[in-house]
Amino acid sequence: DAGVTQSPTHLIKTRGQHVTLRCSPISGHKSVSWYQQVLGQGPQFIFQYYEKEERGRGNFPDRFSARQFPNYSSELNVNALLLGDSALYLCASSPRRSFGANVLTFGAGSRLTVL
Amino acid sequence: SQQGEEDPQALSIQEGENATMNCSYKTSINNLQWYRQNSGRGLVHLILIRSNEREKHSGRLRVTLDTSKKSSSLLITASRAADTASYFCATDASRPSYDKVIFGPGTSLSVIP
Repeated sequence: DAGVTQSPTHLIKTRGQHVTLRCSPISGHKSVSWYQQVLGQGPQFIFQYYEKEERGRGNFPDRFSARQFPNYSSELNVNALLLGDSALYLCASSPRRSFGANVLTFGAGSRLTVL
Repeated sequence: SQQGEEDPQALSIQEGENATMNCSYKTSINNLQWYRQNSGRGLVHLILIRSNEREKHSGRLRVTLDTSKKSSSLLITASRAADTASYFCATDASRPSYDKVIFGPGTSLSVIP
């Protein structure tokens, strides 16, 4: 079985542009979470989706948005890019939204550089 | 603010020694997990301990949880050079959302051959 796949793996944008990052979860996983990881820091929670509905949101501005599709894949969109948005964006999937055991399987990430 | 904080931020040991990393968190949790990350790649789940458990083992890993102190420790025994990585503790958010998994800043472990 394929793991969590993310695309693109690397991209370079300029300030003010828009970016779309994509994630395909493990087959059978209905929950997708997005994290931002700045170099040297821990992953910061952005969004969690389950069954195409937003179930959790972190402390990020409205420039960040996401959605989940019927096949459970997901997109993260960031508008009006700032230099500080440069980071590794990680997608993680889990089998279900359940009390007590949200074990995440991560993709390799999309590294965004904003110039 | 992040739920968990790891200590130390960086740790360097010789191969064969044991490595201990600590994690503190602020609010009540249902579970605590430890993840590992190699060189800016995706994180890999290592072990999960539930709030009603005090200790758990998996191979060379031993995790303890003290809910009264809101702290956990990860012990890696007989370390190997391949254990060199960053280690993160992660907790599920307090009610009403159990789904947010919040990570600490991590401990960078270097195992010297």
